[in-house]
Amino acid sequence: GNSVTQMEGPVTLSEEAFLTINCTYTATGYPSLFWYVQYPGEGLQLLLKATKADDKGSNKGFEATYRKETTSFHLEKGSVQVSDSAVYFCALLSNFGNEKLTFGTGTRLTIIP
Amino acid sequence: EPEVTQTPSHQVTQMGQEVILRCVPISNHLYFYWYRQILGQKVEFLVSFYNNEISEKSEIFDDQFSVERPDGSNFTLKIRSTKLEDSAMYFCASSGTGRGQPQHFGDGTRLSIL
Repeated sequence: GNSVTQMEGPVTLSEEAFLTINCTYTATGYPSLFWYVQYPGEGLQLLLKATKADDKGSNKGFEATYRKETTSFHLEKGSVQVSDSAVYFCALLSNFGNEKLTFGTGTRLTIIP
Repeated sequence: EPEVTQTPSHQVTQMGQEVILRCVPISNHLYFYWYRQILGQKVEFLVSFYNNEISEKSEIFDDQFSVERPDGSNFTLKIRSTKLEDSAMYFCASSGTGRGQPQHFGDGTRLSIL
């Protein structure tokens, strides 16, 4: 079945540091990949997506590239801010008529000033 | 930007009682979902709903759970006889048609079973 493996947290960085959160997946076919963010006390917000190999999703300074050869979709940001503190979830959507999202365990990110 | 809305934001219920969680999906979306997140754990799929019927459900979604779209705007999750282990954050989501359409989530209902 489908699965998503995400970098264990928590991750603590200083403001303006470079961020990478690793995500790898197992799936048959050609899934679509997503990063969702959950700010404290809020729901899940779509951060970015990629629907085919070599696509790069980007939003709010975050980027992730769909790498089929390494089955990865790592999240990166060049310079993090305190407001980026949140839990980040990598997720996969199968393309075999199965519409459920499969989530990773989430990575809690804390940015200190 | 259109959004998914969920009510209530927090529900406290005695064990064994019935509870109904409500959701208003984005108006032109046709696929609807419920997920739950037990505190500190990953987000788990419960059920998907399309064309007025369940299209997929997980092992968690047993006979105690049901979903309904009672009118053109609401989508509900009912738990008939709640257990302590049903305590979790429940998220509703909706999506449009087409490959790779993202699911848009509500802010969730925190369900606490006493």
